[in-house]
Amino acid sequence: GQNIDQPTEMTATEGAIVQINCTYQTSGFNGLFWYQQHAGEAPTFLSYNVLDGLEEKGRFSSFLSRSKGYSYLLLKELQMKDSASYLCAVSLASGGSYIPTFGRGTSLIVHP
Amino acid sequence: SQTIHQWPATLVQPVGSPLSLECTVEGTSNPNLYWYRQAAGRGLQLLFYSVGIGQISSEVPQNLSASRPQDRQFILSSKKLLLSDSGFYLCAWSVRVGTDTYEQYFGPGTRLTVT
Repeated sequence: GQNIDQPTEMTATEGAIVQINCTYQTSGFNGLFWYQQHAGEAPTFLSYNVLDGLEEKGRFSSFLSRSKGYSYLLLKELQMKDSASYLCAVSLASGGSYIPTFGRGTSLIVHP
Repeated sequence: SQTIHQWPATLVQPVGSPLSLECTVEGTSNPNLYWYRQAAGRGLQLLFYSVGIGQISSEVPQNLSASRPQDRQFILSSKKLLLSDSGFYLCAWSVRVGTDTYEQYFGPGTRLTVT
């Protein structure tokens, strides 16, 4: 079966840096997605990592280690609007296509 | 640019009534399409996905069904709703942007309450 783990909740201070970890145990792994979801809204695509290493997009960076089954999302210079749920999803090969399978998400609370 | 539409935005239905949720995508051809459900306080559960017209794969056996009558149209249906069908239903599409690299985008969602 597939197993994707993330912390349920994290808190951080405005202006700080926070790292949200995701570990997975899956078969047919192709890559890993990160999404941001504000309360009551649909998820928003942040990143997709296929290769090992760090990919940076502005204040957000995502890291992947395929051999360790591990990824993290790094958020710098935190702002109040970054308070949201962050979803990790692994892309799994299935019948010639790739299917995202989600973890339960990490609720990030940014306080002043 | 690509956009994805879902309707209705909210829906309140009695137990035992039928359901039809529609999703359409603009600005792309032959997308992979997905239906997810997110129950309160829980993660996203993949219900169905489709790689082409008339091609539907079911991930979770239940009283829901999906159809793809046109390339950019994906419909989620039920003949008789259960209380446990309440949740936030999200349609999504994915696109390959490089070798084995994908992006996935979600529609605005439909919040369904079964009473």
